Amino acid sequence: NAGVMQNPRHLVRRRGQEARLRCSPMKGHSHVYWYRQLPEEGLKFMVYLQKENIIDESGMPKERFSAEFPKEGPSILRIQQVVRGDSAAYFCASSRHGTGDYEQYFGPGTRLTVT
Amino acid sequence: QQPVQSPQAVILREGEDAVINCSSSKALYSVHWYRQKHGEAPVFLMILLKGGEQKGHEKISASFNEKKQQSSLYLTASQLSYSGTYFCGTGKNDYKLSFGAGTTVTVRA
Repeated sequence: NAGVMQNPRHLVRRRGQEARLRCSPMKGHSHVYWYRQLPEEGLKFMVYLQKENIIDESGMPKERFSAEFPKEGPSILRIQQVVRGDSAAYFCASSRHGTGDYEQYFGPGTRLTVT
Repeated sequence: QQPVQSPQAVILREGEDAVINCSSSKALYSVHWYRQKHGEAPVFLMILLKGGEQKGHEKISASFNEKKQQSSLYLTASQLSYSGTYFCGTGKNDYKLSFGAGTTVTVRA
């Protein structure tokens, strides 16, 4: 009964490099959400995807950030030309349905450090 | 707009009780509660829905006052395992949750 899986767990990138974060939702879940968490802060919504569709990316910076959830394979959050301010923990969550009355299950997160 | 949680932190001895509050300035459809231990993923605790329905699987109770747009999480007879940061996530009738800044709970033996 695998939960939400994310990899890598830790990622170090130099300024200007690209970061790719992967998320495999729980079995039977077709709704994926990405959140960013800064130290000592809450979770900030970034993007909501279903298979092959971006439903809401209102929380994602317009530049350098992109997300996808292909028909086959994990969801990917891609950050191009990373800057120090991108350092954070990035959590992926999945749910069975995309409404507020269903729980979201979180993965262990990817901790991105930009040097 | 993110909900406001209070208190920011609380220290308890095993067996003591505590209440964590979550307030929103907007009308709510649902309130989700999660607990996160340091360096780990947030773990789902409970959902409270407008109309009184609750979904949860922990021995932790909560209430949802729709008129006041508030929710409270009750930690009763606290155990060491209750330590962590508790987040409330508030939502309208969709997927988008706004999370509070968290309440750090420390339970000591």
